[in-house]
Amino acid sequence: DGGITQSPKYLFRKEGQNVTLSCEQNLNHDAMYWYRQDPGQGLRLIYYSQIVNDFQKGDIAEGYSVSREKKESFPLTVTSAQKNPTAFYLCASSIATRVETQYFGPGTRLLVL
Amino acid sequence: KQEVTQIPAALSVPEGENLVLNCSFTDSAIYNLQWFRQDPGKGLTSLLLIQSSQREQTSGRLNASLDKSSGRSTLYIAASQPGDSATYLCAVNVNDYKLSFGAGTTVTVRA
Repeated sequence: DGGITQSPKYLFRKEGQNVTLSCEQNLNHDAMYWYRQDPGQGLRLIYYSQIVNDFQKGDIAEGYSVSREKKESFPLTVTSAQKNPTAFYLCASSIATRVETQYFGPGTRLLVL
Repeated sequence: KQEVTQIPAALSVPEGENLVLNCSFTDSAIYNLQWFRQDPGKGLTSLLLIQSSQREQTSGRLNASLDKSSGRSTLYIAASQPGDSATYLCAVNVNDYKLSFGAGTTVTVRA
């Protein structure tokens, strides 16, 4: 089955710790995205990547980092600089044209201990 | 900056009633508009995508309209069922693949 997988489903972060969220897709999509969702708010874009080895900051990139070494994978690291990381994180992908829909993974909920 | 608003934030209807969900956006220069469904604690599922040149899209009991000039879209769900209970989000595609999302309307269909 083609789709997007995210792991883990739940992640706990201690103060001062960096944590990495995994996102993998087998849809052969060129573009991948990371969003943050907070209660009562719309999704906000953290980073996006249109091709391998290239990515751009979204609206709320501070305190986050990404890499895109493989077409299938787009991991997100939440660094200790992100002071309010508790949220639901969603990864998405799309064919690399702006008129195509985005397909979403099941999400990772990040909680702070 | 594109702002997307969805009103009401929550809606409760009896089974069988038609649902009308509203989405408004401030900048009419969009490439497309999408409606998504989100179940609690889950990812988003795309329901309908309307290109900027289109006026509406239909899929089964779902119909979405787009009026770019007034910055509005409406999602109609006919003959609602308890399984339609979810949060519905609209998103507009402005540039560079980025989507601007509304906060969503949470729908409860009572049996």
